[in-house]
Amino acid sequence: DTAVSQTPKYLVTQMGNDKSIKCEQNLGHDTMYWYKQDSKKFLKIMFSYNNKELIINETVPNRFSPKSPDKAHLNLHINSLELGDSAVYFCASSQDPAGGADTQYFGPGTRLTVL
Amino acid sequence: SQQGEEDPQALSIQEGENATMNCSYKTSINNLQWYRQNSGRGLVHLILIRSNEREKHSGRLRVTLDTSKKSSSLLITASRAADTASYFCATPRGGSQGNLIFGKGTKLSVKP
Repeated sequence: DTAVSQTPKYLVTQMGNDKSIKCEQNLGHDTMYWYKQDSKKFLKIMFSYNNKELIINETVPNRFSPKSPDKAHLNLHINSLELGDSAVYFCASSQDPAGGADTQYFGPGTRLTVL
Repeated sequence: SQQGEEDPQALSIQEGENATMNCSYKTSINNLQWYRQNSGRGLVHLILIRSNEREKHSGRLRVTLDTSKKSSSLLITASRAADTASYFCATPRGGSQGNLIFGKGTKLSVKP
C-alpha cells in the first residue's frame, strides 16, 4: 500500500483557473507538509500541519490555501493560477511535528503546468 | 540561510565505481539527512545522522558528518545503474527542530 499518495499526478490548466491537489497518508503520522520543486529541482517547503493545525507558512502567496480535514489528509487549493506556479508539488508526512528532527515520507508528486 | 549545498552538482560514473557526494551547511545542526529522488518520483529518505555521530552505514551507503567543518559526505560503494538519481542533503532550520531545508542536489548518473 502506498504510504503517501497524491492526486492527480499531472495537472494541466489555464492561467486564472482554480485547482486542488489532494494528499493522503496512511502512516498514522501527525504532521504533513507541502513542498514545491521548481524546474531547477530546488525543493522548498510551503506549509506544514500538525494534527490539522497550521504550523508553518513559508511566505506563500495567499492564493495557496491548504486544508486539513483530518490528520491523514492535507489538500492544497490554488486560486487564480499563474505561470510561475508551474512546478512539481510534493506532499510529505512525519511522525514528529518538529520536521527537521525526523524522517519525512514523500508522495510521488503532482506536476502542475499552467498554460 | 543554513541551506545545505551539495557538491558536485552532477556526477557521472561507471557501474561498480564508488560515488561520493558532499554537502556543506552554514549553521550548527543537531542532525543532517540524505534523500534520494529518482526521476519523476518523490524523495526517499536514506539516512539521518546526528551531530554526535561521525559516521553511519546503511548497506552500500556510508555517511560522514564533520561538524567542525560543517560538512557531510555520502558515499555509495559499488554503484549500480539503479543508483542513478538526484541526492539531496537536508538540515533543520534553526539547527534542531525546524522544518527541513534542502540543498539543490547532486545528480548522479551510473552508466552500465
